[in-house]
Amino acid sequence: GAGVSQSPRYKVAKRGQDVALRCDPISGHVSLFWYQQALGQGPEFLTYFQNEAQLDKSGLPSDRFFAERPEGSVSTLKIQRTQQEDSAVYLCASSLSPEGEKLFFGSGTQLSVL
Amino acid sequence: TQLLEQSPQFLSIQEGENLTVYCNSSSVFSSLQWYRQEPGEGPVLLVTVVTGGEVKKLKRLTFQFGDARKDSSLHITAAQPGDTGLYLCAGPNTINDMRFGAGTRLTVKP
Repeated sequence: GAGVSQSPRYKVAKRGQDVALRCDPISGHVSLFWYQQALGQGPEFLTYFQNEAQLDKSGLPSDRFFAERPEGSVSTLKIQRTQQEDSAVYLCASSLSPEGEKLFFGSGTQLSVL
Repeated sequence: TQLLEQSPQFLSIQEGENLTVYCNSSSVFSSLQWYRQEPGEGPVLLVTVVTGGEVKKLKRLTFQFGDARKDSSLHITAAQPGDTGLYLCAGPNTINDMRFGAGTRLTVKP
């Protein structure tokens, strides 16, 4: 596609539910990043993939958060047993280079946990 | 924890005015980036500055990287309503981890 595509655009979950957020990066982009953006804040790094390898997951806030990119293209961020503090916009970004010098962001998934 | 501090947090001005927003850190960065984010969208890269003292211009936007590579500024001349948005600065924490400031939310009133 022409840009980074994320789905769903909006997700409302009841506390305790599991959610899965999808990211389709720009075709051919090696690097893929997930960020969490709370209201009124800048994006906070969650995790990074180079092709199918998850090279950095230091930003994942708890073991309820899990990300995968099994074929080096589409990525899924899964949050188990959602909590209210998980409510945020989840942004995916991809980059052509392994160093992630120029990030292209998707429009994000706005997650609301009730 | 934000490595990059942005100021002001909010800025509301009239069309035609000039403004400057700032991005400061106690850390030295190999490069800094500026992004603009509109409501409901992801950030869009405006510029990357890599050399201390560097000045880059993008139409009415002027970006400067501090000599010590710890700070940067964005100056907008004759602001227009289309400049409204959240301006974010970002710098690499590690090679794969771009850290963002909290942003300056700019509103330009017609």
